[in-house]
Amino acid sequence: GEDVEQSLFLSVREGDSSVINCTYTDSSSTYLYWYKQEPGAGLQLLTYIFSNMDMKQDQRLTVLLNKKDKHLSLRIADTQTGDSAIYFCAESPATYGGATNKLIFGTGTLLAVQP
Amino acid sequence: DAEITQSPRHKITETGRQVTLACHQTWNHNNMFWYRQDLGHGLRLIHYSYGVQDTNKGEVSDGYSVSRSNTEDLPLTLESAASSQTSVYFCASSESRGAKNIQYFGAGTRLSVL
Repeated sequence: GEDVEQSLFLSVREGDSSVINCTYTDSSSTYLYWYKQEPGAGLQLLTYIFSNMDMKQDQRLTVLLNKKDKHLSLRIADTQTGDSAIYFCAESPATYGGATNKLIFGTGTLLAVQP
Repeated sequence: DAEITQSPRHKITETGRQVTLACHQTWNHNNMFWYRQDLGHGLRLIHYSYGVQDTNKGEVSDGYSVSRSNTEDLPLTLESAASSQTSVYFCASSESRGAKNIQYFGAGTRLSVL
């Protein structure tokens, strides 16, 4: 099946680190993505990782990928109130002969940052 | 700057009415997608298109249709609106670039079916 699972809610204090977790089921996904949705807005790509990488760092963001366990995580260092949003992980399963161009999204994790 | 726009942003309609939600992108992307967002379900794919005259069903396509007569537009039609179709609808587009599939999203349309 194509199920991407995330916990629904995470609350942190400003300045702490946030870790948002995701499990996916399709090991054929070549790339895995994190999207951010601010209130009343559409989704925006935050970062992505190629499946042959274990880790990717981009300023305050660190993505960890455990391909064996099909586990993806997003760490936000020094979390700010502006990071409050819903975070979605997504995979792009490949079909025989190439990628599907479709994304399968997780349920989303609401990150609440307390001042 | 290239963008993807959805209209209207908010819509209230009655059950049984036909409703069309517009999506227009200026990225010149081949791929376009419609999703609905519901609490506890994340985003679910309704329909998608890989180019002009191409349309495909997603996982929740019943009661919806799309048409692709040009590159820029993929309107979503609810043939006979039902209360279960009350949701937030997002349109997205992407270009075909191998296995990397970055989608760009519109701001969404909030639809209420009464």
